Amino acid sequence: AQSVTQPDIHITVSEGASLELRCNYSYGATPYLFWYVQSPGQGLQLLLKYFSGDTLVQGIKGFEAEFKRSQSSFNLRKPSVHWSDAAEYFCAVAPFTNAGKSTFGDGTTLTVKP
Amino acid sequence: DGGITQSPKYLFRKEGQNVTLSCEQNLNHDAMYWYRQDPGQGLRLIYYSQIVNDFQKGDIAEGYSVSREKKESFPLTVTSAQKNPTAFYLCASSISPGTSGRAEFFGPGTRLTVL
Repeated sequence: AQSVTQPDIHITVSEGASLELRCNYSYGATPYLFWYVQSPGQGLQLLLKYFSGDTLVQGIKGFEAEFKRSQSSFNLRKPSVHWSDAAEYFCAVAPFTNAGKSTFGDGTTLTVKP
Repeated sequence: DGGITQSPKYLFRKEGQNVTLSCEQNLNHDAMYWYRQDPGQGLRLIYYSQIVNDFQKGDIAEGYSVSREKKESFPLTVTSAQKNPTAFYLCASSISPGTSGRAEFFGPGTRLTVL
């Protein structure tokens, strides 16, 4: 069965500092991988996704993520955080071939200090 | 604009009552999903549907029911059998599962509180 682990429940960074949110997944083959962002009381918005090809993927709002097969990781990064990036971030994995469902991590809450 | 609408945004229910949450999409997506979100637990899949008139149980289907009579609609009923229904409910949709590029688009959510 597939699973996703986001080791950091809460991260605090200063505005303008760099950011890396960790995501580790468990799946028998190469999966689809996603990062979503959720503002309080809102739905989730897709930041970026990986299916195949270049292991460094670019997303919206200046985010990028790198797929590392050897480490089963898909970490999200941003070179300079803005106060508006404060939110909860979810990593998700979906099977590459199965017509089915995604599995979400428990999320990482990002706080941005002025 | 295309998107997913959920109504109502806030819903209060007395114990022992059934309640139905609405989810409508105009993205022409085949697949639709219902998730439950509790603090610190991420998203848990309740039901999903890949095509009209067909749906499958997710990880926490007990106490919930769904229907998929139309492509654009996937209502969720929270029954009195659901022991702890107070939560934030999210509906999502995606293009046909199994095709490349599949990602889920989410509605704004419904917060259900049982009094």
